[in-house]
Amino acid sequence: QVQLVQSGSELKKPGASVKVSCRASGYTFIDYPMNWVRQAPGQGLEWMGWINTNTGNPTYAQGFTGRFVFSLDTSVNTAYLQINGLKAEDTAVYYCVRDPSGWYYFDDWGQGTLVTVSS
Amino acid sequence: DIVMTQSPDSLAVSLGERATINCKSSQNILLKSNNKNYLAWYQQKAGQPPKLLIYWASTRESGVPDRLSGSGSGTDFTLTISSLQAEDVAIYYCQQYYRAPFTFGPGTKVNIK
Repeated sequence: QVQLVQSGSELKKPGASVKVSCRASGYTFIDYPMNWVRQAPGQGLEWMGWINTNTGNPTYAQGFTGRFVFSLDTSVNTAYLQINGLKAEDTAVYYCVRDPSGWYYFDDWGQGTLVTVSS
Repeated sequence: DIVMTQSPDSLAVSLGERATINCKSSQNILLKSNNKNYLAWYQQKAGQPPKLLIYWASTRESGVPDRLSGSGSGTDFTLTISSLQAEDVAIYYCQQYYRAPFTFGPGTKVNIK
């Protein structure tokens, strides 16, 4: 079965960087794009963008350009989200999400990674 | 961007009773060429990631109980739980995938009365 397993919680200071990993299994990794979704504490869901797992080409939603970087290591079926120059408002749970249909509704979710930014 | 709103913010329903959640999009999300509404519903239980319930506004995901159903078209949509069960306690989100950025509603919290 499809599994998306994310790295563990992170506590970072403002200005630092963090890299969240999402290891995929149960399907051919490069056949389906990977999306990222953010959920701030007690808040709703924000689509951050997606990465083409075949070409490595990322697409960022407005508000997630500049400091946010999507990347891949296809040798280990893993997608990454790096956030640079962390701010307190980046504190959130970050989900990797697979969209097998290609229509951008989201079937398969990682368990989420809590990133806490605090001095 | 297409803005999604939901009502109510929360509701409490007795076990076995009907729960109705409304979702409204700021723009039409029905594509006339294929007659499909680009609307999905998710359920999120405490401490868990969201789970896809319904897509194309009314198509139930495999394994989703048939007491959950989606309806609506254009800009106005509804998720109905026909007979609330204890395991339905969760936050429910609608999402449009008509146009990027793909946006979610703010969520509706469902509890047992």
